[in-house]
Amino acid sequence: SQQGEEDPQALSIQEGENATMNCSYKTSINNLQWYRQNSGRGLVHLILIRSNEREKHSGRLRVTLDTSKKSSSLLITASRAADTASYFCATDLLTGANSKLTFGKGITLSVRP
Amino acid sequence: DAGVTQSPTHLIKTRGQQVTLRCSPKSGHDTVSWYQQALGQGPQFIFQYYEEEERQRGNFPDRFSGHQFPNYSSELNVNALLLGDSALYLCASSLRSLGAYGYTFGSGTRLTVV
Repeated sequence: SQQGEEDPQALSIQEGENATMNCSYKTSINNLQWYRQNSGRGLVHLILIRSNEREKHSGRLRVTLDTSKKSSSLLITASRAADTASYFCATDLLTGANSKLTFGKGITLSVRP
Repeated sequence: DAGVTQSPTHLIKTRGQQVTLRCSPKSGHDTVSWYQQALGQGPQFIFQYYEEEERQRGNFPDRFSGHQFPNYSSELNVNALLLGDSALYLCASSLRSLGAYGYTFGSGTRLTVV
């Protein structure tokens, strides 16, 4: 079963615009992570936010977490054509040795030059 | 510093056959997890290996089995292949003490069952 549900399923924007992607989940989490996948290849880790954090930044990425609403958002600012990819949120329910990631179905982002 | 290496990159098998996929973890990592990603879906957790033992398992049948070697590398075996087993199989390595904080994924093996 998939814990996270991303929204929207697909997003098409112009280069230079901001892209906002949302993720909702069902149960309490230890942390939430966002990954990027190009053309059905390997997953690239983008950013991790812990359950006791509300916002994190990494370069052009900003992620927020609202544990009361069980939701997260990923903002990519000043998008580039190279940002075209599928984006997944993944939740980690437990700590340490029992950790495993549960992924959503993903969002397809297209950035038009 | 090599990342996670998976082999082969692509594979075509016939229904009913058996397949073995291989994964070499990132240097310094001791835990290997396997995921199945069907087309258009997110990755689904298959199982996780640490100290050569299966530590956690997702909702996959016994046709899916694995192994971890003393050098931390791992194999995923699938018996009696079904058409529905066609997917991208991803290996992720991590350091057990860090849990999911330090996952590194390989580029995957694309399995096609015909």
